[in-house]
Amino acid sequence: AQSVAQPEDQVNVAEGNPLTVKCTYSVSGNPYLFWYVQYPNRGLQFLLKYITGDNLVKGSYGFEAEFNKSQTSFHLKKPSALVSDSALYFCAVREKAAGNKLTFGGGTRVLVKP
Amino acid sequence: DTEVTQTPKHLVMGMTNKKSLKCEQHMGHRAMYWYKQKAKKPPELMFVYSYEKLSINESVPSRFSPECPNSSLLNLHLHALQPEDSALYLCASSQNSGTTYEQYFGPGTRLTVT
Repeated sequence: AQSVAQPEDQVNVAEGNPLTVKCTYSVSGNPYLFWYVQYPNRGLQFLLKYITGDNLVKGSYGFEAEFNKSQTSFHLKKPSALVSDSALYFCAVREKAAGNKLTFGGGTRVLVKP
Repeated sequence: DTEVTQTPKHLVMGMTNKKSLKCEQHMGHRAMYWYKQKAKKPPELMFVYSYEKLSINESVPSRFSPECPNSSLLNLHLHALQPEDSALYLCASSQNSGTTYEQYFGPGTRLTVT
């Protein structure tokens, strides 16, 4: 089965500093990877995806992610964090053999302090 | 338009009640999903409909009954729930063709079982 892991339960960063949220994956074949963000009492919002092609993927709200096949990682990054980026972030992988279901990591809470 | 709508936003029900959650999307997506999410945890897949047919049931108790009346609508019928079923219920949809497998989520229904 495919899986993703988010090794950090929480990331604290000062506003204006770079933000990185880590994700590693374990898949057979080519991975379809996603990042989602969830604000309190809201649904998940799609940020970006890696399917194939360039290892640096750009997404919504200034976020980007770097796919690294040798390290089996797909870290989410933002050059300059905003207080409004404080939220819960989920990495996910598509399971093609299981009806295209998404398998989520455990989530990382990001707290951006002014 | 990437909007998935869900009603109601909040629902309080007793253990003997029957209620329904509704989900609607107008993106032409052919796959629709129900997830259950507990606080600060990733969403847990419950059901998947593909082309209006139930394709995945993740061993969900029969007190949850999904229904897909047409390609735009998804219902979740609730009966004789338990307090541990209290959670945020999320609906999602996806195109699932080409390279487009990202799921778009609704805002959720916050369910409290008393």
